[in-house]
Amino acid sequence: GAGVSQSPSNKVTEKGKDVELRCDPISGHTALYWYRQRLGQGLEFLIYFQGNSAPDKSGLPSDRFSAERTGESVSTLTIQRTQQEDSAVYLCASSLAPGVSYNEQFFGPGTRLTVL
Amino acid sequence: DQQVKQNSPSLSVQEGRISILNCDYTNSMFDYFLWYKKYPAEGPTFLISISSIKDKNEDGRFTVFLNKSAKHLSLHIVPSQPGDSAVYFCAASPTNFGNEKLTFGTGTRLTIIP
Repeated sequence: GAGVSQSPSNKVTEKGKDVELRCDPISGHTALYWYRQRLGQGLEFLIYFQGNSAPDKSGLPSDRFSAERTGESVSTLTIQRTQQEDSAVYLCASSLAPGVSYNEQFFGPGTRLTVL
Repeated sequence: DQQVKQNSPSLSVQEGRISILNCDYTNSMFDYFLWYKKYPAEGPTFLISISSIKDKNEDGRFTVFLNKSAKHLSLHIVPSQPGDSAVYFCAASPTNFGNEKLTFGTGTRLTIIP
């Protein structure tokens, strides 16, 4: 079956422009996570969606970052007024609903964002 | 504040030998630990995990050891194969249910020398 897909795979933008990154999770996965990996760093949690619950936005680095999710499907991560420090690979992951045992997170290939 | 640390950015191992990757953590609330493997231009893929109630978990050539008192875990790969060459990330979660957001280390690039 299809895995997690992300688009675009690469995005180059100018400082100050807005960008939208898209994630299509695995069908049936109600949990969706956004992470980013800056050069030389580990993956950094950004935001978490689970079903119709309020998202956990505790990892968003500034109010320029926001994310939406349509039901239990597509999610978009929006970065407004991009800065050079936003350059990173943005990774999306999905999993089954949290329960009594750990649910593996399946990652997409990521979107490499470069802010000039 | 790096709560999950992988102090070796790279490691080279001869094919057939054992590869040992190390990870340390500082947050006592972490009770579930995972290793992910990442090839270039791909997302990380889950490799193996361990709950804090155990000190060892084995899956084929891969074994993860957890030392809670030392807040240390390690991944052993034996025998190492060329296809194991990748970046390995250690990750931790404060719970194995509910919001399972992961805290990752910075990764160790493993190179298996044929």
